[in-house]
Amino acid sequence: DQQVKQNSPSLSVQEGRISILNCDYTNSMFDYFLWYKKYPAEGPTFLISISSIKDKNEDGRFTVFLNKSAKHLSLHIVPSQPGDSAVYFCAASGGDKIIFGKGTRLHILP
Amino acid sequence: KAGVTQTPRYLIKTRGQQVTLSCSPISGHRSVSWYQQTPGQGLQFLFEYFSETQRNKGNFPGRFSGRQFSNSRSEMNVSTLELGDSALYLCASSSQGWEQETQYFGPGTRLLVL
Repeated sequence: DQQVKQNSPSLSVQEGRISILNCDYTNSMFDYFLWYKKYPAEGPTFLISISSIKDKNEDGRFTVFLNKSAKHLSLHIVPSQPGDSAVYFCAASGGDKIIFGKGTRLHILP
Repeated sequence: KAGVTQTPRYLIKTRGQQVTLSCSPISGHRSVSWYQQTPGQGLQFLFEYFSETQRNKGNFPGRFSGRQFSNSRSEMNVSTLELGDSALYLCASSSQGWEQETQYFGPGTRLLVL
């Protein structure tokens, strides 16, 4: 039973447009959420996080939105750039646990 | 089941020194991942070891290294410490790896570099 789900295995977005990556979770005990970016043959790199007391956190081109009632978070990348092509993982943390989703591969099209 | 243990819990070092941190995973878990947590940089992934092999590595300089023993215990070493290495270092264990299932954190080692 997946507690953290990224339902889109891949996403293609035109360069310069907005990329929206989605993540759903099932456990209300999660209180801290993170997004990581991963290139092939490398480990995940932390991008941005949000605590459950907030509904939005912004860092440059990256914004994470949290909807606690829907148990849903999303990562917005604006504007999308070629270097954003990678696999994006969301993660949910609470207590002594962290669980990663299975990732969404983002392709930025020229 | 006993949880993940980390030693030492607190450490104070000076710049230029080296440090070794230890992590004992939950019994039966073969994957150990290391993270660095700082207020400004979030929870950064350092590396993952599985069955004594480094399987994934984050974007950290070569001063950060690790290893895993046959009993799955893992050590992380940081050489030539810098002030910016002050952080909470967390290890997390899981049965198969960070991408595939729940990882369980240890209590962390808080490192202060003076």
